[in-house]
Amino acid sequence: DSGVTQTPKHLITATGQRVTLRCSPRSGDLSVYWYQQSLDQGLQFLIQYYNGEERAKGNILERFSAQQFPDLHSELNLSSLELGDSALYFCASSTGGGEKLFFGSGTQLSVL
Amino acid sequence: QQPVQSPQAVILREGEDAVINCSSSKALYSVHWYRQKHGEAPVFLMILLKGGEQKGHDKISASFNEKKQQSSLYLTASQLSYSGTYFCGTEGYNQGGKLIFGQGTELSVKP
Repeated sequence: DSGVTQTPKHLITATGQRVTLRCSPRSGDLSVYWYQQSLDQGLQFLIQYYNGEERAKGNILERFSAQQFPDLHSELNLSSLELGDSALYFCASSTGGGEKLFFGSGTQLSVL
Repeated sequence: QQPVQSPQAVILREGEDAVINCSSSKALYSVHWYRQKHGEAPVFLMILLKGGEQKGHDKISASFNEKKQQSSLYLTASQLSYSGTYFCGTEGYNQGGKLIFGQGTELSVKP
């Protein structure tokens, strides 16, 4: 158990819908990262937060947004969903920049 | 910006050795290595912070050549438990911890 909690574990929805993925980092970790992993693909960096503020952005679509709340949990919002958004979404946390990442078990999103 | 890993896949017999390479076109502050087993989350193996640094973890070790912007992961006397996909993650200078992963190397260890 990495100590990073992601909910829900599975999510099935339809095209055009909006979903929210939730992540609770390890106790004491200030950084939260979001990654997307499609079938047979690597880990695509989406966005990083540190202590409530956006620290870095990757190839995150405009339809996607995220935030980190004062209690340090984070949410990834995906809207106007398309079939191609089906993927495993991982959240990871670390104490800060440059430190090792602890990954949650992921949220498997299926867009039908 | 994404680091390039090679080989893409490798098949070993138990006890054999393997090397996985990771190279970047940009100057690197650190290199991370993670292993992901099928259906599971990636798990941290090691982080290398300085040029020329080498680290070991059981029979898995790694080196980091800062000048060449390359890192290599060495798996010695492989065990069945080593099977999985290995990812290197690279962080550039002044990136605030942004970690970009390579496409992964799938390692299969057979009895």
